Amino acid sequence: DAGVIQSPRHEVTEMGQEVTLRCKPISGHDYLFWYRQTMMRGLELLIYFNNNVPIDDSGMPEDRFSAKMPNASFSTLKIQPSEPRDSAVYFCASSLETGETQYFGPGTRLLVL
Amino acid sequence: GQSLEQPSEVTAVEGAIVQINCTYQTSGFYGLSWYQQHDGGAPTFLSYNALDGLEETGRFSSFLSRSDSYGYLLLQELQMKDSASYFCALNRDDKIIFGKGTRLHILP
Repeated sequence: DAGVIQSPRHEVTEMGQEVTLRCKPISGHDYLFWYRQTMMRGLELLIYFNNNVPIDDSGMPEDRFSAKMPNASFSTLKIQPSEPRDSAVYFCASSLETGETQYFGPGTRLLVL
Repeated sequence: GQSLEQPSEVTAVEGAIVQINCTYQTSGFYGLSWYQQHDGGAPTFLSYNALDGLEETGRFSSFLSRSDSYGYLLLQELQMKDSASYFCALNRDDKIIFGKGTRLHILP
């Protein structure tokens, strides 16, 4: 398996623009997680899905953030409108079960100017 | 609620042994994990303790004591490539809670 795939790997955008991050989990993994990592706040869980259904979105910072998982092999995290404070590395991870070992994608490094 | 505490930085010498501690406060969990993250990379799974005691995987060992709300990661025969951040994480039945990570600096 290729592991968790994320795109783009790097994104530079201007404040106010829409940003869409994409993730393909490991085949057969029923759980998908979106994290944000910054120096100040560390690794934060934003939202996670089980069998394509959002289970816990309590970590989503505000309404500007939304996530979808239309099928078992694809998920998106959208920020609209983006702000400079959204600059961070966004990781997608997947696992077989919710509390089991998580396998992380390479991350998307987002810079909002 | 739940929280994990680990030192922000640790420095050790190549070839030596280093221990990274993790204390936690939680209402319930079923295991303690450790993840490694190199600069510019993604977190990768290292070790997992479901039960109290020591788990050994090559040069790395991890320990858990539920009665003391404490765990640690032990790295032996340190190599320069071990320079990275190490995260302890609580495995709950709904999700994994990560600590803020310990940056390990290795001196030649």
